Amino acid sequence: EDQVTQSPEALRLQEGESSSLNCSYTVSGLRGLFWYRQDPGKGPEFLFTLYSAGEEKEKERLKATLTKKESFLHITAPKPEDSATYLCAVGYGQNFVFGPGTRLSVLP
Amino acid sequence: DTAVSQTPKYLVTQMGNDKSIKCEQNLGHDTMYWYKQDSKKFLKIMFSYNNKELIINETVPNRFSPKSPDKAHLNLHINSLELGDSAVYFCASSPHRGMGTEAFFGQGTRLTVV
Repeated sequence: EDQVTQSPEALRLQEGESSSLNCSYTVSGLRGLFWYRQDPGKGPEFLFTLYSAGEEKEKERLKATLTKKESFLHITAPKPEDSATYLCAVGYGQNFVFGPGTRLSVLP
Repeated sequence: DTAVSQTPKYLVTQMGNDKSIKCEQNLGHDTMYWYKQDSKKFLKIMFSYNNKELIINETVPNRFSPKSPDKAHLNLHINSLELGDSAVYFCASSPHRGMGTEAFFGQGTRLTVV
């Protein structure tokens, strides 16, 4: 069965403590993998698109990587303003599925 | 300037009522979407419109009907509201047709059915 999972469900980091979030997928015909950030009470905000294994994208303290079965969102030296829920989404065929998200809290 | 705007932001209504949520985008995008985010925060696509043509209908109940008067607007009408319809509904738009492009989301409409 096609699905998208994310781990961990929640993550608490101290400011400056680097870590990674995982998005695993089991779909056929990947068209793209997307990372979004969602703040409480707001709509998801687009971060990155990855299209093929080996591809990497960076934006400020965030770096997204893609393999054939998973994607990682690496957060380097996070700040409290990086606290949010991070969602990955997979486009395949005519489908588009979001993962359940990882709720990140960065403590000062 | 708000790129994707939805109204209302909050909507509380009784079971059995009919309600509408409006969405407008000023990005010049060809494709617009409606998503539902339930209490467990799962975000699921409901509809997609490309230049006023419905291109996806994720088997949502036919009480839900999207209406697009032009490519900048995609409204969602819901008939005979049920308790299970309570959720946050997001409108989004993207520059290209299909599932390979990023989407820009509105702020969401929190619907509560009592």
